[in-house]
Amino acid sequence: NAGVMQNPRHLVRRRGQEARLRCSPMKGHSHVYWYRQLPEEGLKFMVYLQKENIIDESGMPKERFSAEFPKEGPSILRIQQVVRGDSAAYFCASSPSGGFNEKLFFGSGTQLSVL
Amino acid sequence: ELKVEQNPLFLSMQEGKNYTIYCNYSTTSDRLYWYRQDPGKSLESLFVLLSNGAVKQEGRLMASLDTKARLSTLHITAAVHDLSATYFCAVGPEGGNTGKLIFGQGTTLQVKP
Repeated sequence: NAGVMQNPRHLVRRRGQEARLRCSPMKGHSHVYWYRQLPEEGLKFMVYLQKENIIDESGMPKERFSAEFPKEGPSILRIQQVVRGDSAAYFCASSPSGGFNEKLFFGSGTQLSVL
Repeated sequence: ELKVEQNPLFLSMQEGKNYTIYCNYSTTSDRLYWYRQDPGKSLESLFVLLSNGAVKQEGRLMASLDTKARLSTLHITAAVHDLSATYFCAVGPEGGNTGKLIFGQGTTLQVKP
């Protein structure tokens, strides 16, 4: 049973380009969460999605960032017109059903570097 | 606003010694997690603590939760080099969605032979 799969592992973009980060949850998991980790900091919640629905996007920056989790395929975190401050590790996590005492299973992350 | 603070942020210790990492949080919570992260890797779930007085142990690590004091501890017994990593505690805001966790800054543990 494969874990949470994220790709790419590393992504380099120039300022102004778009970044697309993909996350495939664990098999049987229908809840996906995106977190951002800045250097030497803890993870910060960005968004929580179920299939075709955004449940909580309270941690998403108001502009340039969007996320989706379509009926088929992986969840996508999209960053438009990237800036240097977007450089960070982006982690995706999944859980089976969003239950109270469920663990989150994290992917290996995508390291985004903006030149 | 829920805040989570860990201390110490960096810990260097000798193999065989015991030590404790502390995690304080600012408002009521209904669950607390401990994670381990190796450099450049993802987070590995260690413990989930759901009630006051909860204690869980796995190998040389033991975690406890005091909801009245809003404090969790991660105790390391007879440390070995393999425990070198960064340890995060994360708290779930009471009544919040299950995946929205507030993380501490992390404690980087370095165990020297």
